[in-house]
Amino acid sequence: SAVISQKPSRDICQRGTSLTIQCQVDSQVTMMFWYRQQPGQSLTLIATANQGSEATYESGFVIDKFPISRPNLTFSTLTVSNMSPEDSSIYLCSVPSGLGETQYFGPGTRLLVL
Amino acid sequence: DQQVKQNSPSLSVQEGRISILNCDYTNSMFDYFLWYKKYPAEGPTFLISISSIKDKNEDGRFTVFLNKSAKHLSLHIVPSQPGDSAVYFCAGSGATNKLIFGTGTLLAVQP
Repeated sequence: SAVISQKPSRDICQRGTSLTIQCQVDSQVTMMFWYRQQPGQSLTLIATANQGSEATYESGFVIDKFPISRPNLTFSTLTVSNMSPEDSSIYLCSVPSGLGETQYFGPGTRLLVL
Repeated sequence: DQQVKQNSPSLSVQEGRISILNCDYTNSMFDYFLWYKKYPAEGPTFLISISSIKDKNEDGRFTVFLNKSAKHLSLHIVPSQPGDSAVYFCAGSGATNKLIFGTGTLLAVQP
């Protein structure tokens, strides 16, 4: 299984500011995924990040709000822009397994927006 | 439209007994179904999966059953241990490798 790290592990931010979350994988992967888990809710896919191309966003998520970078095959960032309290969530990145039948998740970034 | 549903938000079981967690889905295009375990302040940990062409998969204390006609799957944990106490998510995966998660079931295993 892949070893995935995320920075920061948690943060408290003021509304109107932006936060960039980093995701590092110990092996090269073509696809990386970004999820959000709002308080008491399930995990929801934000976007799929492929190296060398623009991220693909799910319904309800837009690039202006959640810009994603994927500069190489082991790293990605997700920025939460112009934050509001509704953005308070756990943000997780994941990568597919070798056969693609499952995904491995990072430890998550716990964000609180005041 | 919630494609994956876990109708029991919580379950309490005695140590040593069987835990049965249930999941229903509506999307017939899922290729795989997966169960994840999540502790607070950690990312989900993959537990076990099952292909849509199988009806059972077993790994140690964990067994997943799939009933395609009923669009229902279940995770059996036996014997249950206090360390199994966590939130369990089921998820469906299709051709794009995207995971669609259920809402989770909080399992409490009482010593």
